[in-house]
Amino acid sequence: QQPVQSPQAVILREGEDAVINCSSSKALYSVHWYRQKHGEAPVFLMILLKGGEQKGHEKISASFNEKKQQSSLYLTASQLSYSGTYFCGTGTGNQFYFGTGTSLTVIP
Amino acid sequence: ETGVTQTPRHLVMGMTNKKSLKCEQHLGHNAMYWYKQSAKKPLELMFVYNFKEQTENNSVPSRFSPECPNSSHLFLHLHTLQPEDSALYLCASSRQPGSNQPQHFGDGTRLSIL
Repeated sequence: QQPVQSPQAVILREGEDAVINCSSSKALYSVHWYRQKHGEAPVFLMILLKGGEQKGHEKISASFNEKKQQSSLYLTASQLSYSGTYFCGTGTGNQFYFGTGTSLTVIP
Repeated sequence: ETGVTQTPRHLVMGMTNKKSLKCEQHLGHNAMYWYKQSAKKPLELMFVYNFKEQTENNSVPSRFSPECPNSSHLFLHLHTLQPEDSALYLCASSRQPGSNQPQHFGDGTRLSIL
């Protein structure tokens, strides 16, 4: 039930781009993306509610491929503040499952 | 700025103690959640409440007992916990329950069982 994310960890230099993937073995009806910095609460980034939807938040955007049961998060021209662990999440009804997480570190 | 407040931030307890975690949300949401986050594991949903009614209990051991007196407050009562229960416990809320609603998290309670 739990979505699988890849890669598990990535290190970037400031200004570089990254893609984080989230795949599910079950049908996806919506996909959430959150970022959690060390010692802090997860923070909601965006939600995609239907296949083909794409959204953006500053230089972070996401796509949702319903047929492939996957979503991707795109980080463009990364900044130091983008460091943290990124989680996707999905569910049906009142159930919700977070992905395995991707640790992203941006270095100067 | 967070609209979800959790207390205490840290808690150390013995296996025979009884303690409670508290969560309060100031967002006017109707749904509240408890999650467990263990080291190197994803967040695991424990309980879901909608308008004070429990709608999900994901096979959580009875040593964890939730209480939701109103839609703004959520408690997690703990008793006779095990060492493997040491984790970060996160509270979240959303406007309504369901996977199409963004969730807003508190900073969590870091629980250590001696």
